[in-house]
Amino acid sequence: QLQLQESGPGLVKPSETLSLTCTVSGGSISSSRYYWGWIRQPPGKGLEWIASIYYTGSASYNPSLESRVTMSVDTSKNQFSLRLTSVTAADTAVYYCARFGRGKWSFDYWGQGTLVTVSS
Amino acid sequence: QSVLTQPPSVSAAPGQKVTISCSGSSSNIGNNYVSWYQQLPGTAPKLLIYENNQRPSGIPDRFSGSKSGTSATLGITGLQTGDEADYYCGTWDISLSAARVFGTGTKVTVL
Repeated sequence: QLQLQESGPGLVKPSETLSLTCTVSGGSISSSRYYWGWIRQPPGKGLEWIASIYYTGSASYNPSLESRVTMSVDTSKNQFSLRLTSVTAADTAVYYCARFGRGKWSFDYWGQGTLVTVSS
Repeated sequence: QSVLTQPPSVSAAPGQKVTISCSGSSSNIGNNYVSWYQQLPGTAPKLLIYENNQRPSGIPDRFSGSKSGTSATLGITGLQTGDEADYYCGTWDISLSAARVFGTGTKVTVL
């Protein structure tokens, strides 16, 4: 059974960089059938797609966040990561990592999510 | 601000049916597959419907999806208390560099 697990600091100071890693187990991140993505959800609000990446390292970003976001993939560790720079309180959210299937054209597996709070 | 619009809430008694609409445009729903996600309180979203009307294994046939033009609909029949959750539609938008987009979300309440 595929599992995704987010990890990273739960508290980040304003203007600093948020860094999260998603570890994939039970399947290979190097499959040509999938993309890997990050989605966030501010407290009490809806879902917002942040970015997605293919195992080759080719990434796409939400235009509203593109200037601050970088995704990377480490196939040797079966992990992918997110960096979000110059964070503000508006970046406080639960961050989910998820798999996007090229066949199902949807996010079919999700991590449990990790709350990141931006505060001094 | 999402490009996909859903009603904030819908409700019905146990055993009844609810439908949730997802309204978009030709740059998103009109030309791409729609998926639906269920988010139970305090948990991660779960895929309910993909490719407009397909159910992943393990999803009961009480859940159905359809698409017409620039709108999509999720239907839930035989409503159960365990269906109380937030529901989101999703697709991608070719006018936003193929960005993945989600709907505004709908809270389903079982009366």
